[in-house]
Amino acid sequence: GQQVQQSPASLVLQEGENAELQCNFSTSLNSMQWFYQRPGGSLVSLFYNPSGTKHSGRLTSTTVIKERRSSLHISSSQTTDSGTYLCAFLTGNTGKLIFGLGTTLQVQP
Amino acid sequence: DMKVTQMPRYLIKRMGENVLLECGQDMSHETMYWYRQDPGLGLQLIYISYDVDSNSEGDIPKGYRVSRKKREHFSLILDSAKTNQTSVYFCASSLTGVDTQYFGPGTRLLVL
Repeated sequence: GQQVQQSPASLVLQEGENAELQCNFSTSLNSMQWFYQRPGGSLVSLFYNPSGTKHSGRLTSTTVIKERRSSLHISSSQTTDSGTYLCAFLTGNTGKLIFGLGTTLQVQP
Repeated sequence: DMKVTQMPRYLIKRMGENVLLECGQDMSHETMYWYRQDPGLGLQLIYISYDVDSNSEGDIPKGYRVSRKKREHFSLILDSAKTNQTSVYFCASSLTGVDTQYFGPGTRLLVL
């Protein structure tokens, strides 16, 4: 089964609303990373977050390693936030990232 | 400015032809990766390279091979391409392998 579960699978917001994206892992992990991807585009790293809370502008990532979960909070969403948000976890010392299938976010004006 | 480059960006090949995808990074990163991304399957690791001539299979290595002769370059080779290798291929790099991964722009490969 899928080792990384992302929820929701898709989300539609009105501009200005907040979003909470969840990522749950089925195995133990050393760290995790959040990415943003535009349709047809590459992956842009948002956070590398082994544990705790990190902030970057309107984005906040919180990882609780013991509970095998991470969340991405987007405040005051903008239309330019539309795209797919992917989480991935790093297990062991191999450097291998295991990806979830993503949350597709659409922010309407 | 940290950068991962990929060439070509778009490629159309016929079944049975050989394919060479190239990746470069200017950050002196030790570890480099090749992934493919398919709808419904997400990103899957093909190969990982820990340094020059130190390569390891990922989750889906069948039908692919890699070459890393310089730290800044990592190539993915498809010998006799198959139609099910049509996909978007991403290269990535990280400094040590247990830190942030940086992705290239991707190569869209169509095998007819």
